[in-house]
Amino acid sequence: AQTVTQSQPEMSVQEAETVTLSCTYDTSESDYYLFWYKQPPSRQMILVIRQEAYKQQNATENRFSVNFQKAAKSFSLKISDSQLGDAAMYFCAYRSAHNAGNMLTFGGGTRLMVKP
Amino acid sequence: KAGVTQTPRYLIKTRGQQVTLSCSPISGHRSVSWYQQTPGQGLQFLFEYFSETQRNKGNFPGRFSGRQFSNSRSEMNVSTLELGDSALYLCASSLAGGSSEKLFFGSGTQLSVL
Repeated sequence: AQTVTQSQPEMSVQEAETVTLSCTYDTSESDYYLFWYKQPPSRQMILVIRQEAYKQQNATENRFSVNFQKAAKSFSLKISDSQLGDAAMYFCAYRSAHNAGNMLTFGGGTRLMVKP
Repeated sequence: KAGVTQTPRYLIKTRGQQVTLSCSPISGHRSVSWYQQTPGQGLQFLFEYFSETQRNKGNFPGRFSGRQFSNSRSEMNVSTLELGDSALYLCASSLAGGSSEKLFFGSGTQLSVL
């Protein structure tokens, strides 16, 4: 079974600064997808960024980028130019590429606080 | 296009009762999956339905069940509620549940069991 670990329960960043959230995972599969989701107080999970394991190039979405290290099974999220609206819970998630369906394995989450 | 809609937003029940939660996926989406979110256990996969058939199931007792209707709307049912069932229940939908598809979540139903 796959496991996802987020070792930072809470992180804090100054507005306009850069912050990196950590995520490690364990799997015996070679094909999979990794995600970062944001959950604001509204509770709705919002996809921030997605990485396909077969792609060596790190995914980027505007101010959000990842550092995907497949051999180390590490998948960190970097948020540049942090904004007050970035404050939320962030979850790292894993999905197998082999099984049909939407079964995601989530990490425990990191609460990000943004200071004005 | 309307997003994933979950009803009700909040629910209070007592131990031993049963509860039914509803999820309407985005129009055209045929895959609906359910997740339980608690402070202690985090986010855990409950089950997934596609074309009215359960396709995947997480490690939850038989008290947790679900179904999907021909219009892709889904319901989940929890019978004989326990205090530990208090949680945020999230529903997510996608076109067909393919591993490369984007998953869209609703805002959840907050269930409190007293």
